[in-house]
Amino acid sequence: DAGVIQSPRHEVTEMGQEVTLRCKPISGHNSLFWYRQTMMRGLELLIYFNNNVPIDDSGMPEDRFSAKMPNASFSTLKIQPSEPRDSAVYFCASERASNTEAFFGQGTRLTVV
Amino acid sequence: RKEVEQDPGPFNVPEGATVAFNCTYSNSASQSFFWYRQDCRKEPKLLMSVYSSGNEDGRFTAQLNRASQYISLLIRDSKLSDSATYLCVVNVEGFQKLVFGTGTRLLVSP
Repeated sequence: DAGVIQSPRHEVTEMGQEVTLRCKPISGHNSLFWYRQTMMRGLELLIYFNNNVPIDDSGMPEDRFSAKMPNASFSTLKIQPSEPRDSAVYFCASERASNTEAFFGQGTRLTVV
Repeated sequence: RKEVEQDPGPFNVPEGATVAFNCTYSNSASQSFFWYRQDCRKEPKLLMSVYSSGNEDGRFTAQLNRASQYISLLIRDSKLSDSATYLCVVNVEGFQKLVFGTGTRLLVSP
């Protein structure tokens, strides 16, 4: 298996623009997580899905952030409009079942200027 | 109070040293515990799960203390390749909500 695949790997955008991050989880995994990592705050859980259904989005910072999982093999995290403080590395992870290993994608490094 | 807390370090140790990290968690209903390792500019990867009875994997030993709500990681005979950030992870509320600590950075020097 190719593992969790995220795209793009790097994104540089101007403040106010819409940004869409994409994730393909490992086939057969039924949970998907979106995390944001910064030096100051570490890894923050933004939202997670179980069987394509959003379970907890309490970590989504504000309404500018939204996430979807239309099917078991694809998820998006959208920021509209983007702001410089959104600059971070965004990780997607998937898990086969509860209490098993979570596998991370390589992350998307977002820079908003 | 943060759900999972770790000393950010860095811990600077010479090769061959033994080093230990602790992590505390706030939710007494937490059921699963893990240590992940993250290398610079890479994604986190599972190092080991932490079981109630404690577990060992080569030079690495993990312990869980439910009464005091902390977990620990002990690394014996440190290698240069152990230099990384070690993340404490807790499955909060007994569901698939993995919460990460901010990590403890380890630097092993020759």
